[in-house]
Amino acid sequence: DTEVTQTPKHLVMGMTNKKSLKCEQHMGHRAMYWYKQKAKKPPELMFVYSYEKLSINESVPSRFSPECPNSSLLNLHLHALQPEDSALYLCASSKVADTQYFGPGTRLTVL
Amino acid sequence: GENVEQHPSTLSVQEGDSAVIKCTYSDSASNYFPWYKQELGKRPQLIIDIRSNVGEKKDQRIAVTLNKTAKHFSLHITETQPEDSAVYFCAASPVLIWGAGTKLIIKP
Repeated sequence: DTEVTQTPKHLVMGMTNKKSLKCEQHMGHRAMYWYKQKAKKPPELMFVYSYEKLSINESVPSRFSPECPNSSLLNLHLHALQPEDSALYLCASSKVADTQYFGPGTRLTVL
Repeated sequence: GENVEQHPSTLSVQEGDSAVIKCTYSDSASNYFPWYKQELGKRPQLIIDIRSNVGEKKDQRIAVTLNKTAKHFSLHITETQPEDSAVYFCAASPVLIWGAGTKLIIKP
């Protein structure tokens, strides 16, 4: 299996909601990433997990909370988001410090 | 910190012609340079990459060159086709720092 999967594909939420984004890979990769991408911009790195431990946290607001339950799964918990958080959220995985492979993304709209 | 500059921001070429996109990086410790293609509404997909111990790499119509002394690398696409139309991003690692992207338009 050479794919990274993400659910849901689309998510609409209000500013008081709590929701979670999910990412899964079965390539045996030990690094997983969350990116945020706004229209016409490159992906912005949010979090990096290496061997299920958070190794990079790019000063992301606390309303975004990552979780890595095991080496195949990565979650992003969302709470009290703002309209400016609307974006495409991409998950990626890789061997440590190697080529990153991206999931299809979750299109998030915050009302 | 590391910075990656990418030019041009938009490139329009006639179908069948070649396209070249250039990137420069600032951190001399960078050792891995991937190129991603992103079509509208889709995920970034790796099209080619190069490591710092290699000067050039080719895969069919796509090639990447790396000049470590000048700290720049370039993507070359030959015999462009309509399906090459997309946004292309360069990046430099070990933690990926991305260029701003180039919108490539192939004119029929």
